[in-house]
Amino acid sequence: DVKVTQSSRYLVKRTGEKVFLECVQDMDHENMFWYRQDPGLGLRLIYFSYDVKMKEKGDIPEGYSVSREKKERFSLILESASTNQTSMYLCASSLRAGLAGGRYEQYFGPGTRLTVT
Amino acid sequence: AQTVTQSQPEMSVQEAETVTLSCTYDTSENNYYLFWYKQPPSRQMILVIRQEAYKQQNATENRFSVNFQKAAKSFSLKISDSQLGDTAMYFCAFIYSGNTPLVFGKGTRLSVIA
Repeated sequence: DVKVTQSSRYLVKRTGEKVFLECVQDMDHENMFWYRQDPGLGLRLIYFSYDVKMKEKGDIPEGYSVSREKKERFSLILESASTNQTSMYLCASSLRAGLAGGRYEQYFGPGTRLTVT
Repeated sequence: AQTVTQSQPEMSVQEAETVTLSCTYDTSENNYYLFWYKQPPSRQMILVIRQEAYKQQNATENRFSVNFQKAAKSFSLKISDSQLGDTAMYFCAFIYSGNTPLVFGKGTRLSVIA
């Protein structure tokens, strides 16, 4: 069974702190993604990665960075947390195109609700 | 650039009734895939149904079916015999062949009323 896990369901941090959000998948997926979800705005892509040590900016990368040292793990880093980064963060993974046999759907983790005070 | 539009921010339906959620998209691609995802309150996002653009037949998964109109770029989700457990945010999503991320609509919040 497909599984994507995130390190915390709820997190409270102070302004200016460095925050790490961890995501692990056990499906040997090549692709991994980080989204933030806000009411009325839907899901917005922050960063994604198609392979180990590779990363691509999404629609809203400012204030975030990522790390992918191992295939199964994709970390989102808030270098200096700010109150406008209070949000729900969702991680997802999928098979690489070409290997997927046309199955491009993403599998999501449970989300981390981050509050920055 | 591809865009996905869900024009109904919120909907409600009586238990056991049928409801249709709308989704339109914009793309110049010919081969692509469309999805509906469900996100129950405080729970994980899960895939409900998928449709390949090259298939003319509408996808069906139990009580969930789609009406895929390629020329109109429309991809609606029909939920039959609605159940309380169908209460959730529903997201329409699009991807075209290749290593590109999913493009999501902003979601429709569906409430099933007893």
